[in-house]
Amino acid sequence: EAGVAQSPRYKIIEKRQSVAFWCNPISGHATLYWYQQILGQGPKLLIQFQNNGVVDDSQLPKDRFSAERLKGVDSTLKIQPAKLEDSAVYLCASSPPRGSGGNTGELFFGEGSRLTVL
Amino acid sequence: AQSVTQLDSQVPVFEEAPVELRCNYSSSVSVYLFWYVQYPNQGLQLLLKYLSGSTLVKGINGFEAEFNKSQTSFHLRKPSVHISDTAEYFCAVNRGSTLGRLYFGRGTQLTVWP
Repeated sequence: EAGVAQSPRYKIIEKRQSVAFWCNPISGHATLYWYQQILGQGPKLLIQFQNNGVVDDSQLPKDRFSAERLKGVDSTLKIQPAKLEDSAVYLCASSPPRGSGGNTGELFFGEGSRLTVL
Repeated sequence: AQSVTQLDSQVPVFEEAPVELRCNYSSSVSVYLFWYVQYPNQGLQLLLKYLSGSTLVKGINGFEAEFNKSQTSFHLRKPSVHISDTAEYFCAVNRGSTLGRLYFGRGTQLTVWP
């Protein structure tokens, strides 16, 4: 079974530029998450999708961050314009549908996209 | 609201020694508890989880953890570590009634020396 795919793995941009990250979850996983992991900290949830609807985006800085999951499968996270403090690893995760036999609370993570803002 | 405290940011230990990584949580409701491991430049991989039942849970790579409701703790242990266990370890919690988002601790860097 293929895991969560993310791209690009690494990205370096200058402040005020824009960047986009892509995530393809495990097939059949209805819930998709974007986490931000700043160096020395634990992952922090930015946004959670259930199919193509947003469940929780309370921690997403909406003045510069946006995310979509148009067909309920893959997702894109965009930052525009980027700031120095956005330097982090952006992790995508997915989980099976609630109530399904495969949902034990585990989130399955991709390898992450490391962003450096200069 | 949920919060997770990992008391040690770094734990150095010699190979074949035992190790304990501490985790405490706060929550007003029942929770599910998880430990994830992150190797350099990789994503997070599940080590073990507590959902219900026996409070002692065993995971991959010889790790185990014990859920202690009275002390709101979920400490991770391994009786004998290997150099390959060097990694960042994260404790996480979510609400037991609605499986979904995880709240993570800040992580503990385990370094195993030869």
